[in-house]
Amino acid sequence: AQSVSQHNHHVILSEAASLELGCNYSYGGTVNLFWYVQYPGQHLQLLLKYFSGDPLVKGIKGFEAEFIKSKFSFNLRKPSVQWSDTAEYFCAVTVSSGGSYIPTFGRGTSLIVHP
Amino acid sequence: DAGITQSPRHKVTETGTPVTLRCHQTENHRYMYWYRQDPGHGLRLIHYSYGVKDTDKGEVSDGYSVSRSKTEDFLLTLESATSSQTSVYFCAISGGTRAGELFFGEGSRLTVL
Repeated sequence: AQSVSQHNHHVILSEAASLELGCNYSYGGTVNLFWYVQYPGQHLQLLLKYFSGDPLVKGIKGFEAEFIKSKFSFNLRKPSVQWSDTAEYFCAVTVSSGGSYIPTFGRGTSLIVHP
Repeated sequence: DAGITQSPRHKVTETGTPVTLRCHQTENHRYMYWYRQDPGHGLRLIHYSYGVKDTDKGEVSDGYSVSRSKTEDFLLTLESATSSQTSVYFCAISGGTRAGELFFGEGSRLTVL
């Protein structure tokens, strides 16, 4: 079974700082990759996704992520964070299993941005 | 936002009582999932469904059962609730064309005393 590791559990930044959150997965086959964001008290929302093609994908609110197949990584980046980016961020991987798509999530990274 | 409704949104119950959480979708999506969210554990898959009457277990299925008699409804049942099942439960749906891209419900907060 696949697994997803998010190395940073808690990140605290000041506004305008750059952000990079790590995500590594373990699966040797074809994967679909996602980052979701959960703002305080809300449900998860899709931030960005990678299925194929250009390994640098851009999402909403200035976020981007780079898929590096050789490193089994899909790190999330943002050049300049805002206070409103305070949230929990989840990396997820989906593989096909007998025709079903089973998403597996990392444990999440809590980001706090100080104004 | 995708049309997903979870009910109840909040529930407090006692150990040993049965509990059913309902997920209702209006998107006609094939896949439906139940996750639980706990601090330090992220989201863990309980059960999922890939069609009417087609369900399978996730990584934390013990103590839970599910049913899907209609495309739009996916029920999660705790036959005899325990304190370890205190959690926030999220339902998610996914269509086949963007496999694995999930749309989440608002969550159901369950407290088992």
